[in-house]
Amino acid sequence: EAQVTQNPRYLITVTGKKLTVTCSQNMNHEYMSWYRQDPGLGLRQIYYSMNVEVTDKGDVPEGYKVSRKEKRNFPLILESPSPNQTSLYFCASSPGQINTGELFFGEGSRLTVL
Amino acid sequence: LAKTTQPISMDSYEGQEVNITCSHNNIATNDYITWYQQFPSQGPRFIIQGYKTKVTNEVASLFIPADRKSSTLSLPRVSLSDTAVYYCLVRSPGNQFYFGTGTSLTVIP
Repeated sequence: EAQVTQNPRYLITVTGKKLTVTCSQNMNHEYMSWYRQDPGLGLRQIYYSMNVEVTDKGDVPEGYKVSRKEKRNFPLILESPSPNQTSLYFCASSPGQINTGELFFGEGSRLTVL
Repeated sequence: LAKTTQPISMDSYEGQEVNITCSHNNIATNDYITWYQQFPSQGPRFIIQGYKTKVTNEVASLFIPADRKSSTLSLPRVSLSDTAVYYCLVRSPGNQFYFGTGTSLTVIP
């Protein structure tokens, strides 16, 4: 089944404790991205990657890191999480024709930073 | 930057047609306009996309005027299960995808 898989789906952590949210897609998509969703702010892009070893900042990259060592994986790293990073996070992927804008989303990862 | 503007919320009765308009003044020449649907605690789901004029699928229609600075998603005969947030999306020239805050549609029995 074609899908985007995120882990963990739910996580409660404390300020400053490094964490990684994994994202994997099995559709051989070139484009992958991370979004956070907060009440009243909609979906905001954190980072995106056009292909392996190519990553770029989105709207709200501060406090996050990403890597794209393999085509299928695009982990989101919070080196020192803070309470303002409490949010619902979505990973998405898209095939090579970026202009069409069709994104496939994961089920989301709800992160709480205490 | 191709940011979008949509109404924050809309209400509709079951069985009515719903039209949601999105403004995207800075859309790039080669960009497509895409609409997504999102239910609570789920990832957004693709509904329809188009480049110009009109596109129709089994779920919705999308109307895009000649200047492409706006688009209208049309949902025919909505049901309670269509209650969701609807996002209009365009791709910016910098390869970023911008979602607005979306339109929260509530379908009333």
